Amino acid sequence: NAGVTQTPKFQVLKTGQSMTLQCAQDMNHEYMSWYRQDPGMGLRLIHYSVGAGITDQGEVPNGYNVSRSTTEDFPLRLLSAAPSQTSVYFCASSYGVGGQEQYFGPGTRLTVT
Amino acid sequence: GENVEQHPSTLSVQEGDSAVIKCTYSDSASNYFPWYKQELGKGPQLIIDIRSNVGEKKDQRIAVTLNKTAKHFSLHITETQPEDSAVYFCAASRGTYKYIFGTGTRLKVLA
Repeated sequence: NAGVTQTPKFQVLKTGQSMTLQCAQDMNHEYMSWYRQDPGMGLRLIHYSVGAGITDQGEVPNGYNVSRSTTEDFPLRLLSAAPSQTSVYFCASSYGVGGQEQYFGPGTRLTVT
Repeated sequence: GENVEQHPSTLSVQEGDSAVIKCTYSDSASNYFPWYKQELGKGPQLIIDIRSNVGEKKDQRIAVTLNKTAKHFSLHITETQPEDSAVYFCAASRGTYKYIFGTGTRLKVLA
């Protein structure tokens, strides 16, 4: 099993550009989520999904969109990048919601200039 | 709002010594407390977790203790080794999608 994979590993965007961060898992997990990690702030939940076709907002959803058309994939879209979105982004998956081990991807480091 | 405070932010220990990282949570309904280890350039990885019906859990050199009354939980690493050097995060959850993470502790094990 590859586990949770993310692409790209690094990305530089100009303000106003859009892009999609890719996330895939091969463990047949129902629950997937996106976090951002900023210095001194821990991990904060952006969006999550409890299954194909079902998504919901987390703690910091503004400026991001998600969709879940398959169990395996959960892409994160930045609609119009802003410098405040400079961060490291992690995708995670687990068998269920709450009280379950979350498996994290290797992360995408995004810089918006 | 709900938060998790984690201390210390950095910790240096000599190889073979013990390391203790402490977290305090605010939501008394929290019932699941995982600890994650993050190595440089990688995503967090679960190393141990504890549920609110248990006071202590141990896995080889790693242990976690939970004091529900004080809303504290701690990670204990004994006989530290250089490969234990990493950033450690605690988290608290009510058993839903929402996890509140601490701000991390950078542990350095000096050889």
